[in-house]
Amino acid sequence: AQSVTQLDSHVSVSEGTPVLLRCNYSSSYSPSLFWYVQHPNKGLQLLLKYTSAATLVKGINGFEAEFKKSETSFHLTKPSAHMSDAAEYFCVVSDSNGNEKLTFGTGTRLTIIP
Amino acid sequence: NAGVTQTPKFQVLKTGQSMTLQCAQDMNHEYMSWYRQDPGMGLRLIHYSVGAGITDQGEVPNGYNVSRSTTEDFPLRLLSAAPSQTSVYFCASSYKLAGGSGELFFGEGSRLTVL
Repeated sequence: AQSVTQLDSHVSVSEGTPVLLRCNYSSSYSPSLFWYVQHPNKGLQLLLKYTSAATLVKGINGFEAEFKKSETSFHLTKPSAHMSDAAEYFCVVSDSNGNEKLTFGTGTRLTIIP
Repeated sequence: NAGVTQTPKFQVLKTGQSMTLQCAQDMNHEYMSWYRQDPGMGLRLIHYSVGAGITDQGEVPNGYNVSRSTTEDFPLRLLSAAPSQTSVYFCASSYKLAGGSGELFFGEGSRLTVL
């Protein structure tokens, strides 16, 4: 069984300050982990993914995430927030046992304060 | 470069009516899926397909039917609409999802209201 918990439903940061979106996961197998972003009235777009290679994963638009097995976490960070980062972010887990199903977190809405 | 195309973008139905949400992809992806998105619940998998002629149920399949007669198309049918099916529906495809390594490509969504 697999599950994912996004610890904050809403995060607000000032433009130019760091962003931290938290995600914990549970998986019976070695997981693959993803972060997706959804801008208003749009579909989801892949930000980055971890698939058992390097534990620090770099994605698009300056985002990165670190896979920490001991803490079962996959937090998303960005050094300096931009107004265009305002969106909803989803953490997603998939077991590596050939399971075709992804499990989505409930999402974190990121607001950027000018 | 169309990617994943969903139609219609908006639809209002009355309870008991049926309809089909269309999804087409032009990337020759084997894997296609339907999700529904509800406030505070993330995305939940309705049905998915790993290739033409093969479909399987996801987390919330009741009240929905799918078929996959071609690689490109994966329509979602609501048999008898209920207010609980008011939601935003997303179609997503991937070249390969086995092992969780495939990236999902999403359509822009179909907003359905059932009165």
